[in-house]
Amino acid sequence: GAVVSQHPSRVICKSGTSVKIECRSLDFQATTMFWYRQFPKKSLMLMATSNEGSKATYEQGVEKDKFLINHASLTLSTLTVTSAHPEDSSFYICSARDTGYNSPLHFGNGTRLTVT
Amino acid sequence: QKEVEQDPGPLSVPEGAIVSLNCTYSNSAFQYFMWYRQYSRKGPELLMYTYSSGNKEDGRFTAQVDKSSKYISLFIRDSQPSDSATYLCAMSAGSGNTPLVFGKGTRLSVIA
Repeated sequence: GAVVSQHPSRVICKSGTSVKIECRSLDFQATTMFWYRQFPKKSLMLMATSNEGSKATYEQGVEKDKFLINHASLTLSTLTVTSAHPEDSSFYICSARDTGYNSPLHFGNGTRLTVT
Repeated sequence: QKEVEQDPGPLSVPEGAIVSLNCTYSNSAFQYFMWYRQYSRKGPELLMYTYSSGNKEDGRFTAQVDKSSKYISLFIRDSQPSDSATYLCAMSAGSGNTPLVFGKGTRLSVIA
């Protein structure tokens, strides 16, 4: 089945620094990838839709200058959390859908970000 | 009314029991329906994927979609302790770059 690889799985950084999270589709091409955030015992909250070769579409309330998304190729999207603050600590998960018609969405294993 | 409603549980059952998980939704445009399983500190794993109404079976799992009632179900037969996880229903009106709408997830514990 389709595999989405996300890296790193866990990162701890100091307040004010930036962190980059990578999301790769390993055996399929994805023109669209989605970035989610999940708080403990809560469901997934869509942050943005990443489109290959164009700007990402952000959900209402998500700061596009803080959460920079780049979708440089059909197999790679990156999320950079800039000037991280403790309130950015969360579980970030990417997902991708094969370009095939009616394909389901597959998720990476998530990145747990802790900002100290 | 939220677009997708799912009882968060927790739901605790003995090993071997049949588990029934459900979601209701309000948007009649939804036609793609998914169930995901999420273990603690992991990404969601796709279990079942159904287009439009009907049933789909895969091993111990059966997914049902009733579009007339805007109601979807996931049944787990012969439940195992390894099935203990959070189960998320998700749905969308289209494929491609249409994002999914998720339920809150039901936390299931299967007791040996």
